[in-house]
Amino acid sequence: QVQLVESGGGLVKPGGSLRLSCAASGFTFSDYYMSWVRQAPGKGLEWVAKISTIGTTMDYTDSVKGRFTISRDNAKNSLHLQLISLRADDTAVYYCARGGLRYFDHWGQGTLVTVSS
Amino acid sequence: DIVMTQTPLSLSVTPGQPASISCKSSQSLLHSDGKTYLYWYLQKPGQPPQPLIYEASKRSSGVAERFSGSGSGTDFTLKISRVEAEDVGVYYCMQSTQAPLFTFGPGTIVDIK
Repeated sequence: QVQLVESGGGLVKPGGSLRLSCAASGFTFSDYYMSWVRQAPGKGLEWVAKISTIGTTMDYTDSVKGRFTISRDNAKNSLHLQLISLRADDTAVYYCARGGLRYFDHWGQGTLVTVSS
Repeated sequence: DIVMTQTPLSLSVTPGQPASISCKSSQSLLHSDGKTYLYWYLQKPGQPPQPLIYEASKRSSGVAERFSGSGSGTDFTLKISRVEAEDVGVYYCMQSTQAPLFTFGPGTIVDIK
């Protein structure tokens, strides 16, 4: 069955950096666009970034452009999100999600990123 | 950018009774390819979202028949014919007609009376 397992979250100071990872299994990873979606505590869902199957096309929501970088390693079935210049409003659970062309059909359990001094 | 709104924002339902959630978009979600990229998700407490409906009216794999989606253009509806206790959570609509951007509605909290 499809499994997406995120890791790398934690507490970081404003201006700091973090690298999130998502280990995928149960499907042919290289066949699918992949995305990151986040959810601030007690708030709704916000799409963050997506990457094409071979990693040549990436898109980002405006609030993270220039600060976040999505990447993938198809040989290792892994998805990553590099976060720099973190701000308090980046605090959220970050979900790895399969899809990115039109919708997300499988989601991981998420990893919590807390930006606080 | 397309803005999604949902009404009501919260709903308390008696088990066995129907429920309905409205989702409206600020622009038509009819794509030039003829499809309407409107989706519904349910986020149960403590869980990630799970897909319910895709392309406005098609049930995702494994979704119970009591869930149905309808609508076109800018107005969409999710209906639950007979609410069960396991249906509690937050329901989100999402558009991807304006890809590469994905936009979620604010969510509708459904609980059981």
